Amino acid sequence: AQSVTQLDSHVSVSEGTPVLLRCNYSSSYSPSLFWYVQHPNKGLQLLLKYTSAATLVKGINGFEAEFKKSETSFHLTKPSAHMSDAAEYFCVVSGALYNFNKFYFGSGTKLNVKP
Amino acid sequence: GAGVSQSPSNKVTEKGKDVELRCDPISGHTALYWYRQSLGQGLEFLIYFQGNSAPDKSGLPSDRFSAERTGGSVSTLTIQRTQQEDSAVYLCASRLPGLAGGLHEQYFGPGTRLTVT
Repeated sequence: AQSVTQLDSHVSVSEGTPVLLRCNYSSSYSPSLFWYVQHPNKGLQLLLKYTSAATLVKGINGFEAEFKKSETSFHLTKPSAHMSDAAEYFCVVSGALYNFNKFYFGSGTKLNVKP
Repeated sequence: GAGVSQSPSNKVTEKGKDVELRCDPISGHTALYWYRQSLGQGLEFLIYFQGNSAPDKSGLPSDRFSAERTGGSVSTLTIQRTQQEDSAVYLCASRLPGLAGGLHEQYFGPGTRLTVT
């Protein structure tokens, strides 16, 4: 079965400092993994995705994530936080071989950026 | 090109009334999903369409909830006899036909905020 765990419900950083949002997954198949961002009262926007190519994935707005199979992790990072990064972030894993049309969402991490 | 659109953007209804929420997916996206996001919560899967059929409706919370899709395009989510606990943001997403490993990401609409009074 597939599942996603976002280890922190809230993360607070100062502007200009690094961001780390943690995500662990379980999957019985080599998954596709995604990070989405949701700004207040907005829909979800794709930040980046991993689909079994390069393990280090670069996304929009300076975010990147590294797929680590041995650790079943897909943590999201950014070297320097900006005030506009304040939002909620969701880690998502696709379904297994015979259910790859289904997506499993983590519970979300709210990122607060302090001036 | 145009993204996923949803209407209405906001809906306030009285308890016990029926509501219909509409989703217009991106042209050519045969897969369509409905999710519910309650205040302060993550996304709850409701139903998935491939074309006009719904191979996975396991997330519909009760028989008051139903959805249909016609012409492989527009989808309508109907909630009958609304209850206050139905208050939430209902999100629609579409994607290209699935490949092994789910390569294609979902594109989300802006959502419909439903308030049941």
